[in-house]
Amino acid sequence: DAGITQSPRHKVTETGTPVTLRCHQTENHRYMYWYRQDPGHGLRLIHYSYGVKDTDKGEVSDGYSVSRSKTEDFLLTLESATSSQTSVYFCAIRGQGGLNTEAFFGQGTRLTVV
Amino acid sequence: TQLLEQSPQFLSIQEGENLTVYCNSSSVFSSLQWYRQEPGEGPVLLVTVVTGGEVKKLKRLTFQFGDARKDSSLHITAAQPGDTGLYLCAGPGRAGNMLTFGGGTRLMVKP
Repeated sequence: DAGITQSPRHKVTETGTPVTLRCHQTENHRYMYWYRQDPGHGLRLIHYSYGVKDTDKGEVSDGYSVSRSKTEDFLLTLESATSSQTSVYFCAIRGQGGLNTEAFFGQGTRLTVV
Repeated sequence: TQLLEQSPQFLSIQEGENLTVYCNSSSVFSSLQWYRQEPGEGPVLLVTVVTGGEVKKLKRLTFQFGDARKDSSLHITAAQPGDTGLYLCAGPGRAGNMLTFGGGTRLMVKP
């Protein structure tokens, strides 16, 4: 199994509070991604990183920010959680082998905003 | 934005039946990947197709990349309950190092 860990695995939070999800990898892969998964929508890219301090927005980035201060850690922050951000969040990593390189996923974080 | 549309969204069949699921786009993709996701887990790569018209086989699963590289299909022969899961296609996004996914096909194979 690829060395990728997400924490926490489950979280319930109140509307308006900030929330930070952590993705940690031991593979030294360059690319890291945050996705959210909702019924009928597959996986939608929130933000991704292509190196330390190098990040870019995905297709559903509003209300989210990210940081990558070390190769192994990629943090996703919900600045002020809303009920629409209730979802399952997946982190993925990918090496530098080109467009066809396999992406490895964490086990997900189930976030509920009440 | 390069969109990938998958069909059908849901499929429930009996063990032993054959099925095909589709991944379509109006854009040309340099490659497409297929992933399978089981409940409570992250997706796992099944195959990558890179050449128009390419066919790859993985036991009872056959993957095809369209000649124009705008579509792909996954055919399962004699489906087993262990094939149950969410099947996702994915391809490079608007920036080359992005990875964009289709909405998925949720397959249930009943014994």
